[in-house]
Amino acid sequence: DAKTTQPTSMDCAEGRAANLPCNHSTISGNEYVYWYRQIHSQGPQYIIHGLKNNETNEMASLIITEDRKSSTLILPHATLRDTAVYYCIVSFYSSASKIIFGSGTRLSIRP
Amino acid sequence: GAVVSQHPSWVICKSGTSVKIECRSLDFQATTMFWYRQFPKQSLMLMATSNEGSKATYEQGVEKDKFLINHASLTLSTLTVTSAHPEDSSFYICSATRGGGLDNEQFFGPGTRLTVL
Repeated sequence: DAKTTQPTSMDCAEGRAANLPCNHSTISGNEYVYWYRQIHSQGPQYIIHGLKNNETNEMASLIITEDRKSSTLILPHATLRDTAVYYCIVSFYSSASKIIFGSGTRLSIRP
Repeated sequence: GAVVSQHPSWVICKSGTSVKIECRSLDFQATTMFWYRQFPKQSLMLMATSNEGSKATYEQGVEKDKFLINHASLTLSTLTVTSAHPEDSSFYICSATRGGGLDNEQFFGPGTRLTVL
């Protein structure tokens, strides 16, 4: 079973920041938080990951609470192309570690 | 870099036939590949983990004799759906990791849509 809980759907106005929450209260000390997204009928795309510090890359920012039981993915300036299902996943940092997908959050960006 | 391809992108077959789907890492060596299936409006379900040169590890409930996985090289894994039936119609997606301690970011293929008539 997936170890994360996410809202089923969200929407955001184009150009605004999209904040996607995720609860992972049973995360273990050496598990990382990963975010992927899946645009309709395509394979998932990696967005970002982190252990306990906040992370930022060209796509998004990841804010992890101090107790690591929840996190937020931030898309700073959402565009229509960001419409997708976003998956929050916890996994060990190993190339052989499998990813178990939950139901994700369907993010809709409105013009 | 880190591109994963799948072939074919879509396939239609008759019930009872077998279908082979290829997953290739184009610009890196993939020590581990994963196979998923996804039904409409549902999430991805992990089917198996495949390591080069060894037998695949199947998730609970996935029939290994029906879904044959071969990972013969560091750039190629194949999934063969044997004696396909309409309930096997799904979106099959593979992913690969670079391994070598670099990271465990999974690079996903574009998926293969299988329709069994």
